[in-house]
Amino acid sequence: GESVGLHLPTLSVQEGDNSIINCAYSNSASDYFIWYKQESGKGPQFIIDIRSNMDKRQGQRVTVLLNKTVKHLSLQIAATQPGDSAVYFCAENSPAAGNKLTFGGGTRVLVKP
Amino acid sequence: DAGITQSPRHKVTETGTPVTLRCHQTENHRYMYWYRQDPGHGLRLIHYSYGVKDTDKGEVSDGYSVSRSKTEDFLLTLESATSSQTSVYFCAISSPAGRTYEQYFGPGTRLTVT
Repeated sequence: GESVGLHLPTLSVQEGDNSIINCAYSNSASDYFIWYKQESGKGPQFIIDIRSNMDKRQGQRVTVLLNKTVKHLSLQIAATQPGDSAVYFCAENSPAAGNKLTFGGGTRVLVKP
Repeated sequence: DAGITQSPRHKVTETGTPVTLRCHQTENHRYMYWYRQDPGHGLRLIHYSYGVKDTDKGEVSDGYSVSRSKTEDFLLTLESATSSQTSVYFCAISSPAGRTYEQYFGPGTRLTVT
């Protein structure tokens, strides 16, 4: 299948623990931020998004936090499961960019049984 | 993969040959995108389309052209493939219903240029 990358930052997490994945974004004018999950051999999959006028949004077992002051975004995964092993990307969208996204470099999450 | 298929899934070609990758969607979405994914660079936008026959360049468009003659098909062509175009190529779609940033990706095409 399609591989993602060999030199990604890696987060090793014990099954059942919480995971926190961080992302620094570059454009203070970005108004939407999105997290994607990419499993080995597959395309990225939309997880959750957050608008710039929010600082927190929760989904099923996931929470995204946005700190605009320091241009930082994080994804928290509760009770990490083996199926959460993947590469996670943040992406940002700004009005000037129209319908285009700018992706971060990704973080690999490895869940240990 | 949200009604998106890519063909071929794997291709090996020689330097200097033309290559066309196809993306097909069954969602009737207006926006379609081509990305390449390389180690150390994440996903980078090559070209995108905002309707039939309406396309625009992304950040890494040199050496690539696209065409969209039907809503459901978006073709990416490498006129004369080079080794630097060895990569994994992903197609994505999004809907303009207020959430154009929510993109759905196909399974990818692994292209090797020898």
